[in-house]
Amino acid sequence: DAKTTQPPSMDCAEGRAANLPCNHSTISGNEYVYWYRQIHSQGPQYIIHGLKNNETNEMASLIITEDRKSSTLILPHATLRDTAVYYCIVSSHSGYALNFGKGTSLLVTP
Amino acid sequence: EAEVAQSPRYKITEKSQAVAFWCDPISGHATLYWYRQILGQGPELLVQFQDESVVDDSQLPKDRFSAERLKGVDSTLKIQPAELGDSAMYLCASSLAYNSPLHFGNGTRLTVT
Repeated sequence: DAKTTQPPSMDCAEGRAANLPCNHSTISGNEYVYWYRQIHSQGPQYIIHGLKNNETNEMASLIITEDRKSSTLILPHATLRDTAVYYCIVSSHSGYALNFGKGTSLLVTP
Repeated sequence: EAEVAQSPRYKITEKSQAVAFWCDPISGHATLYWYRQILGQGPELLVQFQDESVVDDSQLPKDRFSAERLKGVDSTLKIQPAELGDSAMYLCASSLAYNSPLHFGNGTRLTVT
């Protein structure tokens, strides 16, 4: 599976959009981009995933560049409860064993 | 919403002792995973089951760790003997199928003294 690069930490003001970047320059054609988040002392929570089209659900939007070498997770109106570690993972569906990196620690401030 | 159940929530044990963790996945989920998460790191896969069969245990330290899912439902992860370096969060996850999102439990926090 392709490796991903994320900034170790980010801040965002409450009510503003949080844009979390992820680089995956070695992604191959059959690999999906997944986003999970982990709130302190809880297990990771699935957010969204995509192959090449932009995706949106009730939690977030996922923007994937045309060359698929990077993506951005967007939380449109961040709240204090969105403070968490966000993991960007690239994986094919074969076996589906996700390899988590260190993620981005997002701090939403009042 | 259905959840993955794990117990115990916390476990303190002395090194060289045996310890076991239990996981009950969401009903109907065929795939079950055990992950280990060291403080400050992301989760790392230990073992993956499809029904009662092990699909991937390449990262499981088999000299001291064992995992089973006898009836293809709940699962147990055992460590014997525990070492100081085993202190970590042990997370269980399940998914409906290979290409479905993973649902995680809240983990068992193990401290080995």
